[in-house]
Amino acid sequence: DTGVSQDPRHKITKRGQNVTFRCDPISEHNRLYWYRQTLGQGPEFLTYFQNEAQLEKSRLLSDRFSAERPKGSFSTLEIQRTEQGDSAMYLCASSPGTLGNEQFFGPGTRLTVL
Amino acid sequence: AQRVTQPEKLLSVFKGAPVELKCNYSYSGSPELFWYVQYSRQRLQLLLRHISRESIKGFTADLNKGETSFHLKKPFAQEEDSAMYYCALSGRGYSSASKIIFGSGTRLSIRP
Repeated sequence: DTGVSQDPRHKITKRGQNVTFRCDPISEHNRLYWYRQTLGQGPEFLTYFQNEAQLEKSRLLSDRFSAERPKGSFSTLEIQRTEQGDSAMYLCASSPGTLGNEQFFGPGTRLTVL
Repeated sequence: AQRVTQPEKLLSVFKGAPVELKCNYSYSGSPELFWYVQYSRQRLQLLLRHISRESIKGFTADLNKGETSFHLKKPFAQEEDSAMYYCALSGRGYSSASKIIFGSGTRLSIRP
């Protein structure tokens, strides 16, 4: 499968714990995006990387959230001191960065905070 | 404010009937408009984009700048069209083509 992959697919954690998600984009896609989707809503933008540089962050991304893309390939999204309101589907997408901005989405990581 | 509005949460039509999923947007500048679709147990995928001006799976969407709308249409619905549909926009051009802003989605259900 040469599409965007995410790991884990599901994560259940207790409030206050830290969690980390991984995204592997399509090879040679230099742009990588993180979105969050809650029930009944469309995906909401969190942050985006061009290669290893984090170029934009949403105000949704509180201080408890941090994302990295150290070598310009895979990315990680960490949530510290999770809260019940963090329960959501976390989606990763990648694009080649050419004009047109078609983004290819991964299957998502579903986070449940108890 | 940048916003995409899909007024219908659920649209249910009979097989063979015409389908129109409504989408209105608010954006300062010239956005690029998309329709994304998510079939049951599958990932979100691009259905069509306004710059392509093509028909995908019988669906078309015309950008109406005067009404700031990008409604999705299909003349004859098929059962396999049942899915969640998201209207979305992003900025145009290499430097502004970053985040995509999604609407809240419309669930299309095709009755046999």
